[in-house]
Amino acid sequence: QQQVKQSPQSLIVQKGGISIINCAYENTAFDYFPWYQQFPGKGPALLIAIRPDVSEKKEGRFTISFNKSAKQFSLHIMDSQPGDSATYFCAATTSSNTGKLIFGQGTTLQVKP
Amino acid sequence: EAGVTQSPTHLIKTRGQQATLRCSPISGHTSVYWYQQALGLGLQFLLWYDEGEERNRGNFPPRFSGRQFPNYSSELNVNALELEDSALYLCASGQGYNEQFFGPGTRLTVL
Repeated sequence: QQQVKQSPQSLIVQKGGISIINCAYENTAFDYFPWYQQFPGKGPALLIAIRPDVSEKKEGRFTISFNKSAKQFSLHIMDSQPGDSATYFCAATTSSNTGKLIFGQGTTLQVKP
Repeated sequence: EAGVTQSPTHLIKTRGQQATLRCSPISGHTSVYWYQQALGLGLQFLLWYDEGEERNRGNFPPRFSGRQFPNYSSELNVNALELEDSALYLCASGQGYNEQFFGPGTRLTVL
């Protein structure tokens, strides 16, 4: 019940296309859902995050869509660029002060020029 | 604003030795979180320190321990190193509202 399942494991998109990464969870107590971007040899960087009181959040080319009833959330990268090529992790946690982010397994995105 | 810093960048140890990893949080952050990123296992929560106290620990053996200093920096100690401890160890800092900002990590190799 603590798992976050992420798909696909890898994704290849043409420059200018839309990249979509999906995550699903079971624990209904989760109430904070961040996405991280990680380049090789670097630590994960917080990209965007959402709470369950909204269904969508947009920051620049990055959008999180959240479906509370389906217990799913997804990251959309619009106008994907080669510089977006990285590994993306979704995560979830509760506000019950565990401090613990539960991460998905990651998606390796390659944007072809 | 300076981000989370970690030292050393790389650490090579042999089985049975002890490793000490260090982390300095973003200024103003009182919480420090430690994660292990091992190949094929994703990011696994290790420890959470806040205001000098251990608040939570993940499913790791007691030979993984740490502490947080009065200036909120932290160190992670791994005793009796095993080959499977080879991983990237990531430190994150935060100040409430669940946001965690990660450092570049320490790559630990156990030979």
